[in-house]
Amino acid sequence: AQKVTQAQTEISVVEKEDVTLDCVYETRDTTYYLFWYKQPPSGELVFLIRRNSFDEQNEISGRYSWNFQKSTSSFNFTITASQVVDSAVYFCALSEAKGGGTSYGKLTFGQGTILTVHP
Amino acid sequence: EPEVTQTPSHQVTQMGQEVILRCVPISNHLYFYWYRQILGQKVEFLVSFYNNEISEKSEIFDDQFSVERPDGSNFTLKIRSTKLEDSAMYFCASKSSPSQYFGPGTRLTVL
Repeated sequence: AQKVTQAQTEISVVEKEDVTLDCVYETRDTTYYLFWYKQPPSGELVFLIRRNSFDEQNEISGRYSWNFQKSTSSFNFTITASQVVDSAVYFCALSEAKGGGTSYGKLTFGQGTILTVHP
Repeated sequence: EPEVTQTPSHQVTQMGQEVILRCVPISNHLYFYWYRQILGQKVEFLVSFYNNEISEKSEIFDDQFSVERPDGSNFTLKIRSTKLEDSAMYFCASKSSPSQYFGPGTRLTVL
């Protein structure tokens, strides 16, 4: 069975601080996909990034960066120089791959981390 | 940019009533999903739908739930007889490849 653990329930930082959100996953599949979604106070789920299990290269997108380490089953998310607008709930999610690695199944979400960035 | 839409944004109903939640997925997507999120909790998978049939469902998705794609654009979730514990945010999602995109959600309140 798939499982995603986000051990940090809430994180509070002051603007311009860097913050890392942790995500640890469990799966028996050899091919899988990892995601991060952002849920701002308005409630929608905003896709941030997808990573497949064969690609351990870290990724940077502006102030966001992701560190995927298969050896520790972790997919951590770092926000550099945080801003008040980053305040949201962040979810890490996992899905297995079916159909030759081109299809995606259901998403299994972690419990989410509430990030509050104070001015 | 294409997006998933959901109606209504908020539905209030009495316990035991039937509700239908509606979604319009992104037009060229082939896979459709419903998830729910009880207030303050994580997002939980309900059901996936592909090629006009359910491809997978969770243990939450019991006989009270059904899904339908009545035409080429809509994707609906029906709850036949709502319970208090069905109160939650319900998200529709669709994908072709590579990632699932979510609608804004329908907040269901069962009184």
